[in-house]
Amino acid sequence: GQNIDQPTEMTATEGAIVQINCTYQTSGFNGLFWYQQHAGEAPTFLSYNVLDGLEEKGRFSSFLSRSKGYSYLLLKELQMKDSASYLCAVWGFNKFYFGSGTKLNVKP
Amino acid sequence: DTAVSQTPKYLVTQMGNDKSIKCEQNLGHDTMYWYKQDSKKFLKIMFSYNNKELIINETVPNRFSPKSPDKAHLNLHINSLELGDSAVYFCASSQEGVRRTQYFGPGTRLLVL
Repeated sequence: GQNIDQPTEMTATEGAIVQINCTYQTSGFNGLFWYQQHAGEAPTFLSYNVLDGLEEKGRFSSFLSRSKGYSYLLLKELQMKDSASYLCAVWGFNKFYFGSGTKLNVKP
Repeated sequence: DTAVSQTPKYLVTQMGNDKSIKCEQNLGHDTMYWYKQDSKKFLKIMFSYNNKELIINETVPNRFSPKSPDKAHLNLHINSLELGDSAVYFCASSQEGVRRTQYFGPGTRLLVL
């Protein structure tokens, strides 16, 4: 079956660095996505990885290891507005699979 | 200049009613999706349309029927609403190709009483 695992909740301090992990087992692999979702709002696209390695985009970076079925989202210089849920999603065999999301709480 | 729009934003209705949710995208994308997000915040794909053809049909009750009059629209019709249908429904669109980044609508909050 298809499985995407993420921690349910994490807490970090403003200005710090946090890493959100995602492991997956899916039928087929055409890319891994990270989305941010603030409470009561729609998901918004953050990053995309299809090859192994690190993709950097400002304060956010995403890493992928296809052989390990593993990805992480790295958030640097945390801001209060980064408090949100972060969803890992895998594009498999013509289907998108979403993890249940990691709720990140950023404290002053 | 909303990229993906949905109507209505809120929908409160009685059990047993039939309702529709509309979705439109002006991004020129060729694939549109419907997702359901339940109270536990788990996002689950329901349907996907590519060039007016249904290409994904997850195991959802046949009370749910997607209708796509053209490439820019994908409406969701729900018959005989049940309490368990209460959720947030998101429409999304993407372009065929390597990235397939999905752009989401604002969501429709459905409450069945």
